[in-house]
Amino acid sequence: SQQGEEDPQALSIQEGENATMNCSYKTSINNLQWYRQNSGRGLVHLILIRSNEREKHSGRLRVTLDTSKKSSSLLITASRAADTASYFCATVGTSGSRLTFGEGTQLTVNP
Amino acid sequence: GAGVSQSPRYKVAKRGQDVALRCDPISGHVSLFWYQQALGQGPEFLTYFQNEAQLDKSGLPSDRFFAERPEGSVSTLKIQRTQQEDSAVYLCASTLAWIGELFFGEGSRLTVL
Repeated sequence: SQQGEEDPQALSIQEGENATMNCSYKTSINNLQWYRQNSGRGLVHLILIRSNEREKHSGRLRVTLDTSKKSSSLLITASRAADTASYFCATVGTSGSRLTFGEGTQLTVNP
Repeated sequence: GAGVSQSPRYKVAKRGQDVALRCDPISGHVSLFWYQQALGQGPEFLTYFQNEAQLDKSGLPSDRFFAERPEGSVSTLKIQRTQQEDSAVYLCASTLAWIGELFFGEGSRLTVL
């Protein structure tokens, strides 16, 4: 079963625009992570945010976490065609036994 | 090696055949995970090892699925009497310090005819 739900399921933007993806989850978490997956490839870790953090930055990535709303957002600024991929949020519950993924957002950046 | 290595990358099996999928984690990584990813879906947890101990196998969909990691390094996921619904990409991931980031392999794509 999936813990998180990403919104939107698919997003198409022009190069240079910003892309925002949202994730909602159901149970209390220890941390939330975002991963990227290019077609036919494995997942690559992008960023981890702990439950006591509200915002985190890494290069062109900005992640926010609102534990009261059980939601997170991933912002990619100044997108590039190479950012085209599926993006997944994943949560580690307070028991810490596994990483549970959402359904993902398919991002297409048009050159 | 530099990353998590999985083999085979592609496997076609006839319904009823047994398959074995191999995962070589990053050297020194204690924790190893197996996930199943259907087309267009997110990865679904199958099982988790810490060294050679299988600490959680609650995600294995049936008793036809079996995983092992006998020496705490290489892991094998075995599927007996494959069915069409087993067709998916099987992803292996390892990590040094749970509960941090996971390092994924490229996956093994299984197609059952």
